[in-house]
Amino acid sequence: AQKITQTQPGMFVQEKEAVTLDCTYDTSDQSYGLFWYKQPSSGEMIFLIYQGSYDEQNATEGRYSLNFQKARKSANLVISASQLGDSAMYFCAMGQLSGGYNKLIFGAGTRLAVHP
Amino acid sequence: GAVVSQHPSRVICKSGTSVKIECRSLDFQATTMFWYRQFPKQSLMLMATSNEGSKATYEQGVEKDKFLINHASLTLSTLTVTSAHPEDSSFYICSALVAGAQETQYFGPGTRLLVL
Repeated sequence: AQKITQTQPGMFVQEKEAVTLDCTYDTSDQSYGLFWYKQPSSGEMIFLIYQGSYDEQNATEGRYSLNFQKARKSANLVISASQLGDSAMYFCAMGQLSGGYNKLIFGAGTRLAVHP
Repeated sequence: GAVVSQHPSRVICKSGTSVKIECRSLDFQATTMFWYRQFPKQSLMLMATSNEGSKATYEQGVEKDKFLINHASLTLSTLTVTSAHPEDSSFYICSALVAGAQETQYFGPGTRLLVL
């Protein structure tokens, strides 16, 4: 069965420093997608970054990069140069291809606090 | 682009009443939308997949007669919580897939439901 594991319930980082949020996954599928979403206190889920299982290069989107290690089944999110506005919940998710589209399975989330 | 709205953002109702939540894709067409439920300090749980012009597909354990889903157009899906009870109080959030780009789900801002 598909499963997403985020082992860090909370993380602290100093402003302007980089931080890595861990995510491991379990699937028997050959084709899948990995996503990271940010959820601020307002509740909205904000899409950050996507990595396809066949993508050879790690995905990057601005200050966000995904450290994809397929053999280890990990998809860690790296946020460089943290900003105070990065304080939020971060969810890792895996797309389970079903009927031609991805159904998302979410991890438990990691709460990131950025300190000045 | 890829903006999803939800209405209402917050609703308080009496036990036994029904509540309708709307999910709209504002600048794109969405053949597929998803409805999630999130309890405080927990992750998102997929409730059902809503396909335009066909019946919704419910996840195991979700009562389809309790949570009615209608996807009448390419930009609108509605979730009706029928005969709501206090245990239905939760954060309901929808997402939409951009037609033709089936990888990424874009989320609405969510609806907080409180049943008294």
